[in-house]
Amino acid sequence: EVQLVESGGGLVKPGGSLRLSCAASIYPFSSYTLSWVRQAPGKGLEWVSSISGSSRDIFYADSVRGRFTISRDSAKNSLYLEMNTLRVEDTAVYHCARFPILGESYFESWGQGTLVTVSS
Amino acid sequence: QSALTQPASVSGSPGQSITISCTGTSSDVGSYNLVSWYQQHPGNAPKLMIYEVNKRPSGVSNRFSASKSGNTASLTISGLQAEDEADYYCCSYAGRRHFVFGSGTKVTVL
Repeated sequence: EVQLVESGGGLVKPGGSLRLSCAASIYPFSSYTLSWVRQAPGKGLEWVSSISGSSRDIFYADSVRGRFTISRDSAKNSLYLEMNTLRVEDTAVYHCARFPILGESYFESWGQGTLVTVSS
Repeated sequence: QSALTQPASVSGSPGQSITISCTGTSSDVGSYNLVSWYQQHPGNAPKLMIYEVNKRPSGVSNRFSASKSGNTASLTISGLQAEDEADYYCCSYAGRRHFVFGSGTKVTVL
């Protein structure tokens, strides 16, 4: 069974930084493109970033490009999201999601998410 | 990239059929057969219900069906059941390895 477990959320002041982690029980880990998708309180879903299995291909939504950095560690079967220069509008539950092994056209599995609150 | 447009709410009685629309543009929904739909119960992670416009993952009830015409995709739930009450989101590939989600629709079973 696929398991994606996020951690690292919390309260941070505007302009601050936070690093999210996603422990992924998917095998083989390096075969899957992974993504972060966020959901502001009471709002809809927003795709944030994706990273290919080899880490060669990385993509960001315009709203986070230049502030967020996605990465992964095959030795730890983990996905990360380094978030800098955080803004109030970055407040959301951040979900880790997995594409299918063939193709990157939909989000096949999701984690429960970790809440990031940006507030002074 | 603007969110795809969905009705804020749709309701129906048990056993009825309802349809949720998802309107995008010629740059996303209209250009790719890569529309997916997700169900989300309060406090839970989203669950994939439909992928690549009209394909159902294993384990998803055949009461869920979907289609696309031009810039608009649609999800139909037939034989509405109490357990179908949830939020539903469409999603489309938008080129350059980007994705755009819909604004979300709350389905209420009367």
